[in-house]
Amino acid sequence: GDSVTQMEGPVTLSEEAFLTINCTYTATGYPSLFWYVQYPGEGLQLLLKATKADDKGSNKGFEATYRKETTSFHLEKGSVQVSDSAVYFCASPGGDAGGTSYGKLTFGQGTILTVHP
Amino acid sequence: DTGVSQDPRHKITKRGQNVTFRCDPISEHNRLYWYRQTLGQGPEFLTYFQNEAQLEKSRLLSDRFSAERPKGSFSTLEIQRTEQGDSAMYLCASSVRDNRPHFGPGTRLTVT
Repeated sequence: GDSVTQMEGPVTLSEEAFLTINCTYTATGYPSLFWYVQYPGEGLQLLLKATKADDKGSNKGFEATYRKETTSFHLEKGSVQVSDSAVYFCASPGGDAGGTSYGKLTFGQGTILTVHP
Repeated sequence: DTGVSQDPRHKITKRGQNVTFRCDPISEHNRLYWYRQTLGQGPEFLTYFQNEAQLEKSRLLSDRFSAERPKGSFSTLEIQRTEQGDSAMYLCASSVRDNRPHFGPGTRLTVT
């Protein structure tokens, strides 16, 4: 079945550092891909998405490019802030035969980002 | 749009007890989803409803788990005879048809 794999281990950065969180997927076909963010004490929020190969999703200074050659959707930000500290999840929609379900999502294991002043 | 709400936010129970969680979706969202998130892992799909009909259940949903959405609005998730392995965050989400889901803050269950 479809799966999403994120880089392991928490990420700790100083403010204004460059961020990359790796995500790779395995799927039949080319599903939409998402990054969700979970701030402390809050629900999951959609951060950005890409619906087809070579699409770039962007929001709040974060970017991710859907690369079918490497089956990747890495999250990047040029200059992180303390307020970006959160858990980040890569996700793809689950599938029923012949279709995709955007509500039935398959998530990666999450990456904890901590940004220090 | 008041968002998806879940109640309670935290629940501590002893092994063997039954617990019930409630989810109130965004009004007019006809789909409602339940996920479970264990420590250090991403959320895992459990089940979903379209209106009052439960359309799919994951194999993660053992016989001790039951979910309902009797009037197509709020939903409840009940766990009978809780086990320590049930300790997790239970997330609810809702959507209009098959559009992207909006997640609630979750109910954290601790089974002692």
